[in-house]
Amino acid sequence: KAGVTQTPRYLIKTRGQQVTLSCSPISGHRSVSWYQQTPGQGLQFLFEYFSETQRNKGNFPGRFSGRQFSNSRSEMNVSTLELGDSALYLCASSSYSSYNEQFFGPGTRLTVL
Amino acid sequence: AQSVTQLDSQVPVFEEAPVELRCNYSSSVSVYLFWYVQYPNQGLQLLLKYLSGSTLVKGINGFEAEFNKSQTSFHLRKPSVHISDTAEYFCAVSDGAGNQFYFGTGTSLTVIP
Repeated sequence: KAGVTQTPRYLIKTRGQQVTLSCSPISGHRSVSWYQQTPGQGLQFLFEYFSETQRNKGNFPGRFSGRQFSNSRSEMNVSTLELGDSALYLCASSSYSSYNEQFFGPGTRLTVL
Repeated sequence: AQSVTQLDSQVPVFEEAPVELRCNYSSSVSVYLFWYVQYPNQGLQLLLKYLSGSTLVKGINGFEAEFNKSQTSFHLRKPSVHISDTAEYFCAVSDGAGNQFYFGTGTSLTVIP
């Protein structure tokens, strides 16, 4: 079974721009979660989608948004980028049968200049 | 809400020596506990998990962890480390009700030859 894939792997943007990151979960997994990882803050939960519905949301500003498609693929969008948004964005998927084990993708490294 | 504290941000240890990475959590409800490992430029990989049953959990790569409910701890141990164990280790907790994980800030394990 293919693992969780994230595209692109690396991204460089400038302040004020917007960005869209993509995540394809493991086949059959219906839950997708997004995390922001920074050296100072560790992993911080952004949101979780299950069957196209946002089920949980972390404490991030509205500039961060996401969605999930009927094939469980998910995207997250960050608008009006700030320097502090530079981070590794990780996506994780899980199945209903083992919903407490998350499988992580390699991440997208976003650099905001 | 749950929270996770990893007491040591950096742990240097000589090769073949034992190591313990400490993790404490706070929660008023039953929790599920996890340890993940992250190698450079990669996503997170599950080492082991505690869902229920025996409090001593064995994982991959010779790691084990013990769930201690009275001390709200889930420390990770390995009797003899190898150079390849050098990585970042994250402790995480989930309440199982949804699919939201709470991660600690990570412990950087460096194995010295």
